Amino acid sequence: GQQLNQSPQSMFIQEGEDVSMNCTSSSIFNTWLWYKQDPGEGPVLLIALYKAGELTSNGRLTAQFGITRKDSFLNISASIPSDVGIYFCAARSYNTDKLIFGTGTRLQVFP
Amino acid sequence: EAQVTQNPRYLITVTGKKLTVTCSQNMNHEYMSWYRQDPGLGLRQIYYSMNVEVTDKGDVPEGYKVSRKEKRNFPLILESPSPNQTSLYFCASSSETPDTAYSRYGYTFGSGTRLTVV
Repeated sequence: GQQLNQSPQSMFIQEGEDVSMNCTSSSIFNTWLWYKQDPGEGPVLLIALYKAGELTSNGRLTAQFGITRKDSFLNISASIPSDVGIYFCAARSYNTDKLIFGTGTRLQVFP
Repeated sequence: EAQVTQNPRYLITVTGKKLTVTCSQNMNHEYMSWYRQDPGLGLRQIYYSMNVEVTDKGDVPEGYKVSRKEKRNFPLILESPSPNQTSLYFCASSSETPDTAYSRYGYTFGSGTRLTVV
């Protein structure tokens, strides 16, 4: 079945550093989404991407929909302690009813 | 406030004792779904519903049942829970119709139900 390979699995960075994570697949998708999950809560949508090549920002977050439609990345600039959490990519293809999730990237930010 | 509400937040039960996790959304969303989250496996879809009385299996439906008698509610039923169903469960809803080519909205998730089956 369709799978999303998300990397890295975890990151330990110092406050102020930039962060980059990505998702790849062998399948083509028409929607890529990035979610953040705070401890003890459900995932919350950060950025949604709908066109190949699209680059979208949300504050310090920037995400891109890969040209091949098989990948996406998320960058966080100048990280702060509240960026701590698990980040999930998710993707949907036109001909399915499902939103497929990556395995998540756990981010720790040290002061 | 627009939200997805799950109950209970925490549940410890014994093998074989039927249980129901409730999910309710106040956004008039057509699409609802249940996921389980396990370490290293991310979020895996259990069941989903495109509208009232329309449900379908996700990737890991074994051992679960759902119903969609009303638009706002989508309970998850474990008829005979087993220890391998110990997990963190999330209900989600969306205003998009899944077969729309250019849906604009992602899911709204509940806060989760942590289930332990002993």
